[in-house]
Amino acid sequence: KQEVTQIPAALSVPEGENLVLNCSFTDSAIYNLQWFRQDPGKGLTSLLLIQSSQREQTSGRLNASLDKSSGRSTLYIAASQPGDSATYLCAVRTNAGKSTFGDGTTLTVKP
Amino acid sequence: KAGVTQTPRYLIKTRGQQVTLSCSPISGHRSVSWYQQTPGQGLQFLFEYFSETQRNKGNFPGRFSGRQFSNSRSEMNVSTLELGDSALYLCASSSGTGGNSPLHFGNGTRLTVT
Repeated sequence: KQEVTQIPAALSVPEGENLVLNCSFTDSAIYNLQWFRQDPGKGLTSLLLIQSSQREQTSGRLNASLDKSSGRSTLYIAASQPGDSATYLCAVRTNAGKSTFGDGTTLTVKP
Repeated sequence: KAGVTQTPRYLIKTRGQQVTLSCSPISGHRSVSWYQQTPGQGLQFLFEYFSETQRNKGNFPGRFSGRQFSNSRSEMNVSTLELGDSALYLCASSSGTGGNSPLHFGNGTRLTVT
């Protein structure tokens, strides 16, 4: 059974700081790993998807890496802004139609 | 392109009633999956449909059911509601089920059971 863990559960940083969010999973037989952000009371917004054959993906100030052999992914956020404050979730797709989510990291960026 | 649309946004029901939630996927997407989100359990997979067929099911009781129509729209039904069914129900669509098909989520339906 796939288990996904995200550390830390919460993080508070001053504006402008670079930061790393961590995601680990127990079963390396994955289709892909996807990072999302969720604002309070809203749905999930897709940030980055890394296919199982890829090592990293970049979009603007975001960079996500994947190490399948160690069961780890990181989301790097450069030059953080108050608008980045949200809960960040990683999801691992382990078969055709099911994704397993971590509990998320709640990020607060202080002006 | 319109995103994933879930209706209604909010629902209040009483114990023992049943409820139906609706999800319209992004145009052209054939896979629709449903998730339940609660503060205590996080996001949990309910089921996934592809081309009107349920292909995966999570560990939820039989009171939770769903279906998908020929236009890929999906509905989820919960019968004999319990207080513990109060949650945000999220629907996601994707173009396929391969590794390069990201999930796209709607804003969810907030169900409150009293």
